[in-house]
Amino acid sequence: GAGVSQSPSNKVTEKGKDVELRCDPISGHTALYWYRQSLGQGLEFLIYFQGNSAPDKSGLPSDRFSAERTGGSVSTLTIQRTQQEDSAVYLCASSLGLGGAGETQYFGPGTRLLVL
Amino acid sequence: RKEVEQDPGPFNVPEGATVAFNCTYSNSASQSFFWYRQDCRKEPKLLMSVYSSGNEDGRFTAQLNRASQYISLLIRDSKLSDSATYLCVVNLASGGSYIPTFGRGTSLIVHP
Repeated sequence: GAGVSQSPSNKVTEKGKDVELRCDPISGHTALYWYRQSLGQGLEFLIYFQGNSAPDKSGLPSDRFSAERTGGSVSTLTIQRTQQEDSAVYLCASSLGLGGAGETQYFGPGTRLLVL
Repeated sequence: RKEVEQDPGPFNVPEGATVAFNCTYSNSASQSFFWYRQDCRKEPKLLMSVYSSGNEDGRFTAQLNRASQYISLLIRDSKLSDSATYLCVVNLASGGSYIPTFGRGTSLIVHP
């Protein structure tokens, strides 16, 4: 399909392990966002990529979290030394990235992460 | 104080009812506003943007009150399929880009 895809859809890991979450944005979208949604909570902004500009990392909760975006397309969110409080749904979204304030974001189905 | 606040509900209404949600935001420099819908265990999807003059899409009406810093969503003639969580989103300019801030959502349950 032509939507945002994420993998894996579910991930169970042990405390202290590293995990990598992948996002494939809609083709042609230059803006990409990562969010975290804990049970019963709203979406927490993590990081934002726009074209070749330096990413806005202001939402990353700790230095255990990092993200990359290669070739302006696929993005990987890495969580090092996972903790139980990292358990959440990690959502990726993309938008055209034309710079307007009113752009629609298209979300992927998310990765459900459970840290035991 | 949270940047974007919503009553979590749930709002439990019968089919055919009219229901309204409000969302308040704290930053007066907020640039743009949206309502997203999120079904259980699904990703959020755009319901509608919110324009200064107010806008309507079928049974849904969104309004913005910049002076009081809130947006609203009105749903007329509620359907069972309207049951979902409605997320208020406010975009704030940040270093040349616009960072969305999501409310925690308002849960709507429409019953027969």
